[in-house]
Amino acid sequence: RKEVEQDPGPFNVPEGATVAFNCTYSNSASQSFFWYRQDCRKEPKLLMSVYSSGNEDGRFTAQLNRASQYISLLIRDSKLSDSATYLCVVNRWQLTFGSGTQLTVLP
Amino acid sequence: DTAVSQTPKYLVTQMGNDKSIKCEQNLGHDTMYWYKQDSKKFLKIMFSYNNKELIINETVPNRFSPKSPDKAHLNLHINSLELGDSAVYFCASSQASGGQETQYFGPGTRLLVL
Repeated sequence: RKEVEQDPGPFNVPEGATVAFNCTYSNSASQSFFWYRQDCRKEPKLLMSVYSSGNEDGRFTAQLNRASQYISLLIRDSKLSDSATYLCVVNRWQLTFGSGTQLTVLP
Repeated sequence: DTAVSQTPKYLVTQMGNDKSIKCEQNLGHDTMYWYKQDSKKFLKIMFSYNNKELIINETVPNRFSPKSPDKAHLNLHINSLELGDSAVYFCASSQASGGQETQYFGPGTRLLVL
């Protein structure tokens, strides 16, 4: 079983839609959690950290369920510029990346 | 100014050759990393250095040898290149080790072994 699993997609959604990505992780000793974004042929960049209480950054909301070892990312009012691959990342003492979920926002 | 830079951006070479990739960060960070992203897009850590000292060495063939001349630089030398080494190699840095700090990635080096 992979340490971090994500639905690879692709998710194709119209502009303005709400889209949610899920991620599960296998190691219950994982300490911190992140979502990174990777544009085509570019480097990954931190989108947001994920806190136990859930956190929001503008149109983006991240949730963590430690009991179920489940992380989610919700994007509201999708923009064309949100098209990218979203990487779920889990930290124990080093970062472990999921393989990413590809999102395309269509005009 | 580029925070984390890598050279070269593209590298095409023959099997059996030896090549190096260079990485520099101007963020004043203490920790630097090398990651490999394969054709299936999995990003896996290879090495991590903290203040020029090796702290993470994942199961990587010993044909790969990192070198950190100072804490702003982490180079990767690869001996006897194989077809399976074809991938994108990303350098990254963070303020501290342990994974809690944000990691900043370089633009990647696309290596193709023929």
